[in-house]
Amino acid sequence: RKEVEQDPGPFNVPEGATVAFNCTYSNSASQSFFWYRQDCRKEPKLLMSVYSSGNEDGRFTAQLNRASQYISLLIRDSKLSDSATYLCVVNTGGFKTIFGAGTRLFVKA
Amino acid sequence: DAGVIQSPRHEVTEMGQEVTLRCKPISGHNSLFWYRQTMMRGLELLIYFNNNVPIDDSGMPEDRFSAKMPNASFSTLKIQPSEPRDSAVYFCASSPDPQGADTQYFGPGTRLTVL
Repeated sequence: RKEVEQDPGPFNVPEGATVAFNCTYSNSASQSFFWYRQDCRKEPKLLMSVYSSGNEDGRFTAQLNRASQYISLLIRDSKLSDSATYLCVVNTGGFKTIFGAGTRLFVKA
Repeated sequence: DAGVIQSPRHEVTEMGQEVTLRCKPISGHNSLFWYRQTMMRGLELLIYFNNNVPIDDSGMPEDRFSAKMPNASFSTLKIQPSEPRDSAVYFCASSPDPQGADTQYFGPGTRLTVL
């Protein structure tokens, strides 16, 4: 079993749609959680950190469920520019940061 | 402010040749990471430096791979001899967190093709 698992997609949604991604992690001692975004042929960039109480940044909402060991990302009112691969990232302590394989999102006009 | 700088951006070489990838982290960042990304295996951590010292190199695939960080502003990843299966995008990332647990800032990557 992979330490961090994501649905690879792709998710194909129309502009304006709401889309949600889930991610599960295996190490119950994991300490910090992030979502990164990677555009085609570009480097990963931090989208947002994920806090235990859940957090929102504009159209993006991230949630953490420690009991079930999963993280979610909700994107509301999708834009064409949201098309990218979204990487779930889990830190299990110190420098041990594990990147999921990513979920591909295509937003269509 | 300049982000993480990597060179070269693209490298095409023949099997058996030595390849050296270079990275300049963001000034003031204590932690430096080298990753490899392929379609099949995703993003894999190769080695992690903290304050210029290699802390964990368990992700380095073989003895053909070596990494150095002679000072706080420069690191290299060397492959000698290179093989076709080394073809991938190699990313360098740095973090201001001395534990390396916080946000990582990635360079643009080096796209390596070994023929």
